[in-house]
Amino acid sequence: GEDVEQSLFLSVREGDSSVINCTYTDSSSTYLYWYKQEPGAGLQLLTYIFSNMDMKQDQRLTVLLNKKDKHLSLRIADTQTGDSAIYFCAESHQAGTALIFGKGTTLSVSS
Amino acid sequence: DTGVSQDPRHKITKRGQNVTFRCDPISEHNRLYWYRQTLGQGPEFLTYFQNEAQLEKSRLLSDRFSAERPKGSFSTLEIQRTEQGDSAMYLCASSRPGQLIPEQFFGPGTRLTVL
Repeated sequence: GEDVEQSLFLSVREGDSSVINCTYTDSSSTYLYWYKQEPGAGLQLLTYIFSNMDMKQDQRLTVLLNKKDKHLSLRIADTQTGDSAIYFCAESHQAGTALIFGKGTTLSVSS
Repeated sequence: DTGVSQDPRHKITKRGQNVTFRCDPISEHNRLYWYRQTLGQGPEFLTYFQNEAQLEKSRLLSDRFSAERPKGSFSTLEIQRTEQGDSAMYLCASSRPGQLIPEQFFGPGTRLTVL
């Protein structure tokens, strides 16, 4: 069945880059997403990438997709303490259908 | 507030009781989704609607669970004969097909505790 795997924890210092990795099993995934969840707040879409793309950059965020290895990564440049949160990788077959989430990576940023 | 709203935010119930949660999507969003999130896990898909039609149900949605969206606007999720394993955060999301970014907008969730 469909599965999305992530590393569970990442700890970085303020100003460093953070890289959060994700692997997925469903080769028919069309959209891949990164969502952010802060304590007491709802899930917020950070960025997404279509499966026919290799890379997408959006300000401090860079998403890399290796479709052959079914590997997705999120790089956050100049990580700030406000970036501390849980980051979820998710995939879907088409826009508007069920999202399959990973277990989330807890990012801890120390000053 | 034009975001997705959920009610109640917290619910404590005794095992065996029935509970019902409500979700109000962003207006003009015709797709509405229910997910369940337990501690330390990512959200798990339960079901989704397009307008009033329930288009997909996960195998996680046992016979004790039922979701409705009778008028294509708000939705309710009912759990009958609750069990301790039902304790979780129940998340609702909505989307509008054709939007530029394929985003599902999530509500704050209803936290259910079954004693």
